[in-house]
Amino acid sequence: AQTVTQSQPEMSVQEAETVTLSCTYDTSENNYYLFWYKQPPSRQMILVIRQEAYKQQNATENRFSVNFQKAAKSFSLKISDSQLGDTAMYFCAFLRGSSYKLIFGSGTRLLVRP
Amino acid sequence: EAQVTQNPRYLITVTGKKLTVTCSQNMNHEYMSWYRQDPGLGLRQIYYSMNVEVTDKGDVPEGYKVSRKEKRNFPLILESPSPNQTSLYFCASSLGGANPYGYTFGSGTRLTVV
Repeated sequence: AQTVTQSQPEMSVQEAETVTLSCTYDTSENNYYLFWYKQPPSRQMILVIRQEAYKQQNATENRFSVNFQKAAKSFSLKISDSQLGDTAMYFCAFLRGSSYKLIFGSGTRLLVRP
Repeated sequence: EAQVTQNPRYLITVTGKKLTVTCSQNMNHEYMSWYRQDPGLGLRQIYYSMNVEVTDKGDVPEGYKVSRKEKRNFPLILESPSPNQTSLYFCASSLGGANPYGYTFGSGTRLTVV
């Protein structure tokens, strides 16, 4: 069975600094997708960034980028120039290519300090 | 606006009193799913539906029922709620297949069972 592990329950970063959130996963599949979701205090689940496993290039969305290491089964999220609005819970999620089920990690609570 | 609508947003109930949380999507998505979110556990799938009249259990289905009589609606039913079902619930929908864009989530229902 696939599992997703986020080993950092909480993190803190100074505004304008860079922070990296860790995620590892376990699968024997070759075709899958990885996601980072943001959950602010409003509770809404917001898709931040996604990565297709067959793509070598790391995904980037403005200040958000990933470091996808397929062999190591690692999918970390880097937030550059952190802003107060980045304060949220962040979930890493895995989707097998032949499945409909998103599998989530336990989440990392990020606090951006002014 | 494309969205998944959940109601109610907050609900406090007593043990044993049947309740229904509604979920509706306006994107003609085939796939719909219910998740519950608990601290330290991330989001776990309760039930999912691949189309009208097709539903199946997720990872934590005990104590829940679902139905899919229309494509747009996927209500979650708790026939006899218990305190261990106190949680944050999310409905999500997807176009179908291994959608690389992930899911669209509702805004969540905070359920408290006393």
